[in-house]
Amino acid sequence: DSGVTQTPKHLITATGQRVTLRCSPRSGDLSVYWYQQSLDQGLQFLIQYYNGEERAKGNILERFSAQQFPDLHSELNLSSLELGDSALYFCASSVGLGTSHEQYFGPGTRLTVT
Amino acid sequence: AQTVTQSQPEMSVQEAETVTLSCTYDTSESDYYLFWYKQPPSRQMILVIRQEAYKQQNATENRFSVNFQKAAKSFSLKISDSQLGDAAMYFCAYRSANQGAQKLVFGQGTRLTINP
Repeated sequence: DSGVTQTPKHLITATGQRVTLRCSPRSGDLSVYWYQQSLDQGLQFLIQYYNGEERAKGNILERFSAQQFPDLHSELNLSSLELGDSALYFCASSVGLGTSHEQYFGPGTRLTVT
Repeated sequence: AQTVTQSQPEMSVQEAETVTLSCTYDTSESDYYLFWYKQPPSRQMILVIRQEAYKQQNATENRFSVNFQKAAKSFSLKISDSQLGDAAMYFCAYRSANQGAQKLVFGQGTRLTINP
């Protein structure tokens, strides 16, 4: 158990819908990262937040957005869902901005768009 | 942009034997970190081993060790005395030492099967 929690574990929804994925980082970790794992794209970095502020952006679609709240939990919002958005979405956390800090991964949320 | 390549989509090994998974990467940076992550059927991403580019000594963690060749941009993982629990997808990953670029860049993965 990494100490990072993600809810829900599974999510099945229809095209065009909107969903919210939630992540609680390890206690004391200020940085949160979101990654997408799909069959065709592999594991890709989406976005990073540090202490409530967006820190870095990767291959995140405009239909996707995220935020980190004052209690440091983070949410990834996916809207106008398409079949190709079906994937495993991971959240990871690390202590801070130091590059020696490990990223610890949550168990992931499996999203299926039908 | 940095890229990571794992040229072996699948590997298999007999239980108790040794197996080596290959990884190459491309970067223009001189300071960075390299990682091997394990993803068992549970889908949890588990850190196996890490290597700092500035360290010449290869990292080891129990039965897991790496062969880091900086000039060749190669970072292979050796698993000794393979166990059934080692069966998983293994991902090689790169992270810049630049504080503004902390994302992990992953390879496509190698599926490791352990034969009893």
